[in-house]
Amino acid sequence: DIQMTQSPYSLSASVGDRITITCRASQSISTYLNWYQQKPEKAPKLLIYTTSTLQSGVPSRFSGRGFGTDFTLTISDLQPEDFATYYCQQSHSSPYTFGQGTKLEIK
Amino acid sequence: QITLKESGPTLVKPTQTLTLTCTLSGLSLTTSGVGVGWIRQPPGKALEWLAFIYWDDDKRYSPSLKSRLTITKDTSENQVVLTMTNMDPVDTATYYCAHRHSFGGYDIWGQGTMVSVSS
Repeated sequence: DIQMTQSPYSLSASVGDRITITCRASQSISTYLNWYQQKPEKAPKLLIYTTSTLQSGVPSRFSGRGFGTDFTLTISDLQPEDFATYYCQQSHSSPYTFGQGTKLEIK
Repeated sequence: QITLKESGPTLVKPTQTLTLTCTLSGLSLTTSGVGVGWIRQPPGKALEWLAFIYWDDDKRYSPSLKSRLTITKDTSENQVVLTMTNMDPVDTATYYCAHRHSFGGYDIWGQGTMVSVSS
């Protein structure tokens, strides 16, 4: 199995800040990396697929980069609605594992 | 508009078999490229990928749960069914079904169904 490791586990930030979440794969996954946002009691929402492509309707303040084993999700100009938990997921090979999540909280 | 909806029991006893159904609307399971997966999330914990099935009946399973899982599809009802045998309290979770985007992510999710395992 490909292990996905996110850091940090949690993060405090303020509205207007720029933050970056890191996701590392245990082996190369090329660009087969997706990012999700999940709010309490809600299903996850796909934000970014294949490392850097924004899903329809996702604001441009979200961006993704990376290749191989190291990936980042950056949110610029944090908005109140961005405070949530974020998950990375690899879609390179089965099982299509998720990271452990990063909880973004308001400072 | 594509929607997915999970259904099944909210409570099962230890050792019982869980059967969950995911009903698709706005998308046919016979359409080339369509795939549906199951993902679960224990309370307060991370997402865990469980299983996946393609329109052509190709299937994938989590190796750690493979012996307990079966995923099937009913094209006449446009449903995907997940069965999990020998349920244990650690299997208590919200179970989601989700449509697999052509580039690999899950772009449409059901609302989730909470399953508790308790005697």
